[in-house]
Amino acid sequence: SQTIHQWPATLVQPVGSPLSLECTVEGTSNPNLYWYRQAAGRGLQLLFYSVGIGQISSEVPQNLSASRPQDRQFILSSKKLLLSDSGFYLCAWSAGTESSYNSPLHFGNGTRLTVT
Amino acid sequence: QKEVEQNSGPLSVPEGAIASLNCTYSDRGSQSFFWYRQYSGKSPELIMSIYSNGDKEDGRFTAQLNKASQYVSLLIRDSQPSDSATYLCAVKDSNYQLIWGAGTKLIIKP
Repeated sequence: SQTIHQWPATLVQPVGSPLSLECTVEGTSNPNLYWYRQAAGRGLQLLFYSVGIGQISSEVPQNLSASRPQDRQFILSSKKLLLSDSGFYLCAWSAGTESSYNSPLHFGNGTRLTVT
Repeated sequence: QKEVEQNSGPLSVPEGAIASLNCTYSDRGSQSFFWYRQYSGKSPELIMSIYSNGDKEDGRFTAQLNKASQYVSLLIRDSQPSDSATYLCAVKDSNYQLIWGAGTKLIIKP
């Protein structure tokens, strides 16, 4: 069965510090990978998605970036965090096959980031 | 702008009753529909997927889809306090993009 690992679970970082969140998927090949952010009491905002190694699509302009160095690894980074970067960051995967149109997303446990 | 709309709630339902959660979407070409449950402080968890008009049942959960009315719903029978959560509706539109509703907060009263 497929599993998704995301770490760390919680993070407190000062403004201006760098960020690196990592996500890995097991039990599937060539998944579609996603980074979402959820502000407190708000809906899900898609930040980045990837359909393959080195292929990253950005949905919103911001000081965050994403990379996919391996098939099942997805990394979210920032060089300098802002207060507005606080939130609940979720990594997700879906099947990257011909039937992927109907494939749901499966989420990791999330990282709660507080920028102070 | 393609949209998925849900009543934010909270929707309060007595224990043992049927909870009915509703979702409407704007893109008539949408083909895939999903319901997720999100407990406070946790990540969303997939409950149901539905792709064809009609009803789909899984245990106490029934998803209903009406593409003509652009309406999808989730029924929870014999509601339990553990069903208290925010329920997110998600729709894959005609461009394969997943559009999320803002969620409905459900409270099951013992």
